[in-house]
Amino acid sequence: DVKVTQSSRYLVKRTGEKVFLECVQDMDHENMFWYRQDPGLGLRLIYFSYDVKMKEKGDIPEGYSVSREKKERFSLILESASTNQTSMYLCASSSLGTDLEIQYFGAGTRLSVL
Amino acid sequence: KQEVTQIPAALSVPEGENLVLNCSFTDSAIYNLQWFRQDPGKGLTSLLLIQSSQREQTSGRLNASLDKSSGRSTLYIAASQPGDSATYLCAVTGANSKLTFGKGITLSVRP
Repeated sequence: DVKVTQSSRYLVKRTGEKVFLECVQDMDHENMFWYRQDPGLGLRLIYFSYDVKMKEKGDIPEGYSVSREKKERFSLILESASTNQTSMYLCASSSLGTDLEIQYFGAGTRLSVL
Repeated sequence: KQEVTQIPAALSVPEGENLVLNCSFTDSAIYNLQWFRQDPGKGLTSLLLIQSSQREQTSGRLNASLDKSSGRSTLYIAASQPGDSATYLCAVTGANSKLTFGKGITLSVRP
């Protein structure tokens, strides 16, 4: 079974803090994604990566950065957390060209910025 | 820009009923369409994926259809059960493996 693990289920941070959200997948997937999910807005893509050290902006990259130093790990970084970044963050991975490109999701991290 | 719409936002049905969840998308240039399930406070679980060349996929009591030319998909759930209560999301894959999601339909199956 594919496993996508997000390091924290719940996180509370203060405005201005630097925040790291970690995601690890165990299936050697090339593609990894970070989304945020908000009531009434649905899931929106923040950043994605097709390979190590590679990143692409999604639909809402402002205020975020990412790091992919190893194939299995994709980190989302909030350089200076703000209250409007309070949200549910979901990480996903998929295999390029196999598994019909099904995206497998982690359990999510609910981040509150006070 | 691709837009995915799921209407209604919420649905309540009695146990045992067969039901259809609808999804529409604006750009027919898709690689595939996926249906996901999300339980409250949890991540997403992929239920069915239909490639753009396919018309439907089945898994157990679930059947998903795709009409790419009209920009529509349906998820059919047979003999609904209380355990089917969840939010169901539709998503289409466009260029660069990017998914565009609908906002989901929250289904409640009453015992």
